[in-house]
Amino acid sequence: SQKIEQNSEALNIQEGKTATLTCNYTNYSPAYLQWYRQDPGRGPVFLLLIRENEKEKRKERLKVTFDTTLKQSLFHITASQPADSATYLCALITGTASKLTFGTGTRLQVTL
Amino acid sequence: DVKVTQSSRYLVKRTGEKVFLECVQDMDHENMFWYRQDPGLGLRLIYFSYDVKMKEKGDIPEGYSVSREKKERFSLILESASTNQTSMYLCATRTFDRIPYEQYFGPGTRLTVT
Repeated sequence: SQKIEQNSEALNIQEGKTATLTCNYTNYSPAYLQWYRQDPGRGPVFLLLIRENEKEKRKERLKVTFDTTLKQSLFHITASQPADSATYLCALITGTASKLTFGTGTRLQVTL
Repeated sequence: DVKVTQSSRYLVKRTGEKVFLECVQDMDHENMFWYRQDPGLGLRLIYFSYDVKMKEKGDIPEGYSVSREKKERFSLILESASTNQTSMYLCATRTFDRIPYEQYFGPGTRLTVT
């Protein structure tokens, strides 16, 4: 079965810097990969989707890359702010698109 | 805005009790999902439903059942609660499969079984 690895250790960065989070997967490459944000005590909120044939996707301060050779997606937040502090989850979608497989998430802490 | 509501934010039940968790959505979405979230294990799919009265097992269905009698409502049932079912339960919905396959989550129910 598909396994997804996200760094379980929290990422601490200073305000204004670029945060980079990693999502690695095993086995077959998914058709799509999503990123979600989750705040404490709340459900995840969808941020971005990237397709397997796309190298990069941007949305405001967010940038996602997808490297099917490395089996890896990187999630970047530029000019990070304390309000960006949250847990970020990646999710893989297979060709059937019926089910998502989620990573365990990485907690980001942005300090002043 | 899509609204997904769950019947309780916090719930404490005793071992052996029958537990009902209810999820209601107001966006006429076909697909509905139940997940549990545990530290270090992430979100794991319990059951999902792509239509009324239809259900499919997810990755960890043991000890759970579901019911979908109306399109907007999807219930998760713990027939006989056990302590290893203490967890955060999250409901999610999604419209008919099309890009970006965005899932909308409810606020979650933190269930403690003592």
